[in-house]
Amino acid sequence: GQNIDQPTEMTATEGAIVQINCTYQTSGFNGLFWYQQHAGEAPTFLSYNVLDGLEEKGRFSSFLSRSKGYSYLLLKELQMKDSASYLCAVRDGAGNKLTFGGGTRVLVKP
Amino acid sequence: NAGVMQNPRHLVRRRGQEARLRCSPMKGHSHVYWYRQLPEEGLKFMVYLQKENIIDESGMPKERFSAEFPKEGPSILRIQQVVRGDSAAYFCASSPPASSGNTIYFGEGSWLTVV
Repeated sequence: GQNIDQPTEMTATEGAIVQINCTYQTSGFNGLFWYQQHAGEAPTFLSYNVLDGLEEKGRFSSFLSRSKGYSYLLLKELQMKDSASYLCAVRDGAGNKLTFGGGTRVLVKP
Repeated sequence: NAGVMQNPRHLVRRRGQEARLRCSPMKGHSHVYWYRQLPEEGLKFMVYLQKENIIDESGMPKERFSAEFPKEGPSILRIQQVVRGDSAAYFCASSPPASSGNTIYFGEGSWLTVV
């Protein structure tokens, strides 16, 4: 089975940095994804990690440690529009479906 | 290049009616996934299909729910005899044929309200 944990909610200040952690225990692993979802909208792809290490893409970075079953999403220079839910998802060993964590709601305050 | 297209975006049904949700994958994508998201909850996998085949339906409720992806036309998620608990957002996603290293993209979702 799949078990993916991430904090329910985080609050940060505009211009600051926030790190969202995700731990997973899965029967197979074929990549970890991060998605952003604004209320009432579809999830939008942010990042993909399949090898250990850090992937940087503008203000967003994602890190993966397969041996620890751990990933984080780093959001820098926070903007008000970054207030959203951030979803961690693991693709199973067969390379098919994604299993999602419950999502982390990030609130950016002025 | 159109993304994953879902319709209707919003659907209201009375208890006992049927709901049909349609999904056209991105061009070149042959894998389709359906997810359900209840209010204030995460995305739950329902079913994974390829053309004319159901590959994994481990997340589908045993009754009233069915899905298909015919050779021609969109994928359809069908919910018969809807109940209030079926009210949710239903997201379709698609990916290219090669499974490894390819991103799964989501459609805008279909919001079902059962009254």
